[in-house]
Amino acid sequence: NAGVTQTPKFRILKIGQSMTLQCAQDMNHNYMYWYRQDPGMGLKLIYYSVGAGITDKGEVPNGYNVSRSTTEDFPLRLELAAPSQTSVYFCASSSSGTSGVEQYFGPGTRLTVT
Amino acid sequence: KQEVTQIPAALSVPEGENLVLNCSFTDSAIYNLQWFRQDPGKGLTSLLLIQSSQREQTSGRLNASLDKSSGRSTLYIAASQPGDSATYLCAVRGSQGGSEKLVFGKGMKLTVNP
Repeated sequence: NAGVTQTPKFRILKIGQSMTLQCAQDMNHNYMYWYRQDPGMGLKLIYYSVGAGITDKGEVPNGYNVSRSTTEDFPLRLELAAPSQTSVYFCASSSSGTSGVEQYFGPGTRLTVT
Repeated sequence: KQEVTQIPAALSVPEGENLVLNCSFTDSAIYNLQWFRQDPGKGLTSLLLIQSSQREQTSGRLNASLDKSSGRSTLYIAASQPGDSATYLCAVRGSQGGSEKLVFGKGMKLTVNP
């Protein structure tokens, strides 16, 4: 299994541009998550999904959109990029929402908005 | 609102020491607590997950304990090695509204010197 994969690894955007961060998992997990990590900080949840067709906002959703058309893929869309969105973005997945289940993380996408 | 704190933010020790990493959280209504390791420029690797009904979990040289009533967890690393150098994050999963998300501490950067 490849686990959780993310593309691209690095990206530089100009202010006002848009892009989609890709995330895929091959573990047949229902739950998927997007987090961002700012320097010296913990991770903060942007959006999550409990299954195909179902998404919900996390702690910091403004400026982002998501969709979940398949179990495997959970892309994150940035519209009108702003410098405040410079961060490292992590996608994660888990098999369910029960207490004994771990979240598995992808390697991250490092985004710079200038 | 759940808050997770890890103190100190950084620790530098000589090789061979036994280490205790601390994590505290403000709301004891949790499903589980997870310890992660993050190497520079990399994603998160899950080390241990403790369910709310458990007191501790062990994996090799790592032992994590959970005291839900006092809002504390410790990660014990026995006989530390230079390869243990990384940032260690703890995260809790709440059992009430928004239970799908993990709330992260800011992490503790560990350096083990040869």
